Amino acid sequence: DAMVIQNPRYQVTQFGKPVTLSCSQTLNHNVMYWYQQKSSQAPKLLFHYYDKDFNNEADTPDNFQSRRPNTSFCFLDIRSPGLGDAAMYLCATSQSFRSWDRYNEQFFGPGTRLTVL
Amino acid sequence: QQQVKQSPQSLIVQKGGISIINCAYENTAFDYFPWYQQFPGKGPALLIAIRPDVSEKKEGRFTISFNKSAKQFSLHIMDSQPGDSATYFCAATLSNDYKLSFGAGTTVTVRA
Repeated sequence: DAMVIQNPRYQVTQFGKPVTLSCSQTLNHNVMYWYQQKSSQAPKLLFHYYDKDFNNEADTPDNFQSRRPNTSFCFLDIRSPGLGDAAMYLCATSQSFRSWDRYNEQFFGPGTRLTVL
Repeated sequence: QQQVKQSPQSLIVQKGGISIINCAYENTAFDYFPWYQQFPGKGPALLIAIRPDVSEKKEGRFTISFNKSAKQFSLHIMDSQPGDSATYFCAATLSNDYKLSFGAGTTVTVRA
């Protein structure tokens, strides 16, 4: 089945120790998104790639970086995690965002839960 | 500021009952309103969506009611089942935009 895969599902890191989260997709979608979701809150968009074009949200901290080496993979790098960065990180994909409809929705992965000690 | 306000924060309903979640939006330019269902430990999944040119959309036991003049929309879950226990997020966006404005979420618990 076509899907969005995130690894690892659970990640524990130490305060200040760089960490990388991985997302892959078999949907061949053009757009990949990274969201941060804290407990009992809505997902918050960090950035997205449309193909190779990177778009950073204005309020995304500089501590967060992303790489998309090819269509299938996207990485989230947290350079110096703080306690406030503990959250669920969701990867999502969509074919485009030119026209929202049932056939052009965002597909979310299961998420990576990050714990910062 | 939060562009989509969602209520209630949580609700408990008996099996077979009706769950109702309400959302209100600010931006009159929004023209696509999806609802997402999220189970614990999983990512959100699109449940049902509506455009403002219709007042109601039904898919199985899930119905969206839309009131354009009041800038409000709601999700009704008919004949609620324990398997419907999840967090539901309403959202709004523009047809040609990438960004979803999410509501804060409603945790629904269906008691058997």
